[in-house]
Amino acid sequence: GAGVSQSPSNKVTEKGKDVELRCDPISGHTALYWYRQSLGQGLEFLIYFQGNSAPDKSGLPSDRFSAERTGGSVSTLTIQRTQQEDSAVYLCASSLTPAYPRGSPLHFGNGTRLTVT
Amino acid sequence: TQLLEQSPQFLSIQEGENLTVYCNSSSVFSSLQWYRQEPGEGPVLLVTVVTGGEVKKLKRLTFQFGDARKDSSLHITAAQPGDTGLYLCAGGGADGLTFGKGTHLIIQP
Repeated sequence: GAGVSQSPSNKVTEKGKDVELRCDPISGHTALYWYRQSLGQGLEFLIYFQGNSAPDKSGLPSDRFSAERTGGSVSTLTIQRTQQEDSAVYLCASSLTPAYPRGSPLHFGNGTRLTVT
Repeated sequence: TQLLEQSPQFLSIQEGENLTVYCNSSSVFSSLQWYRQEPGEGPVLLVTVVTGGEVKKLKRLTFQFGDARKDSSLHITAAQPGDTGLYLCAGGGADGLTFGKGTHLIIQP
């Protein structure tokens, strides 16, 4: 079956512009996660959705970042007024049940590489 | 905040050698996962361990969860160029899933 799909795969934008990143999770997966991966920094948690609600949005770095999920499926991560420090790979993952505390496997997409110039 | 320290950060060895990478924390985790990530792709789950002292084997890879569930190790026997990648550990607890920064492994033919 299809895995997690993210689009676009690459995005170059000018500082100050808004960007939208899209994630299509595996069908039937109720949990969806957004992570940010910068060079040498590992995976930084951004937000977790269970269904359409976000019980944990503690990782969003500022109010310029927001995310939504509709129909228990597609999710969009929006970054407003992008800054150069927002440049990173944004990874989306889904799981059949919540990944913690008991370790339900995360299935990752290939990410969106965002470059802010 | 739960932190996971992975070591070494970088490792380059010759094909056929054995290696061990480590994942350590001062926190107790309910579960621990290991992922491998190749360039341009997302991480792929290798294994999940949930019981202190648990050992799991995946072909030439052996994973161990520490007795106190604070640390884990990954041992690779007779490394192959196909083992090259970024190895990430992730600890699961009530507060969420915490990733380490990873070990960049290069196996030279």
